Amino acid sequence: EAQVTQNPRYLITVTGKKLTVTCSQNMNHEYMSWYRQDPGLGLRQIYYSMNVEVTDKGDVPEGYKVSRKEKRNFPLILESPSPNQTSLYFCASSLLAGARETQYFGPGTRLLVL
Amino acid sequence: KQEVTQIPAALSVPEGENLVLNCSFTDSAIYNLQWFRQDPGKGLTSLLLIQSSQREQTSGRLNASLDKSSGRSTLYIAASQPGDSATYLCAVKDNNDMRFGAGTRLTVKP
Repeated sequence: EAQVTQNPRYLITVTGKKLTVTCSQNMNHEYMSWYRQDPGLGLRQIYYSMNVEVTDKGDVPEGYKVSRKEKRNFPLILESPSPNQTSLYFCASSLLAGARETQYFGPGTRLLVL
Repeated sequence: KQEVTQIPAALSVPEGENLVLNCSFTDSAIYNLQWFRQDPGKGLTSLLLIQSSQREQTSGRLNASLDKSSGRSTLYIAASQPGDSATYLCAVKDNNDMRFGAGTRLTVKP
């Protein structure tokens, strides 16, 4: 089944404790991205990747890192999480970055930083 | 900077009604506009994708229109059903950015 998977789905952590949220897609998509969703703000893009070893900042990259060593994986790293990073995170992918491409979304990761 | 607004924020209708959800954006230089559905605790499911050169797309009971010059899109849902209850998000794509509205939470009452 074609899908985007994220792990973990739920995470409670404390300020400053490094964490990684994994994202994997099995559709051989080149383009992958991370979003956070907050009440009243909609989804905001954190980082995106056009292909392996190619990443770029989105709207709200502060406090986050990403890497794209393999085509299928695009982990989101919080080196020193803070309470304002409490949010619902979505990973998405599409075949290419072009205008005609539909993005496929993962199920989301709900993060609480205490 | 592109801003996307969805009105209303919430909508409640009786089953069987036809309804329209609205989406507006500030910069008409977009590549495409996409409507998504989000169920509670779930990810986003793409409903319709309209390219910048198109004016509408249809899928079953759903019809989405795009007026780039006025910066507006509408999602029309015909003969609404309780299973249509969800949050509907619109998103516009320009360059490599995809910008989302805050969504309209739809409740269809039996």
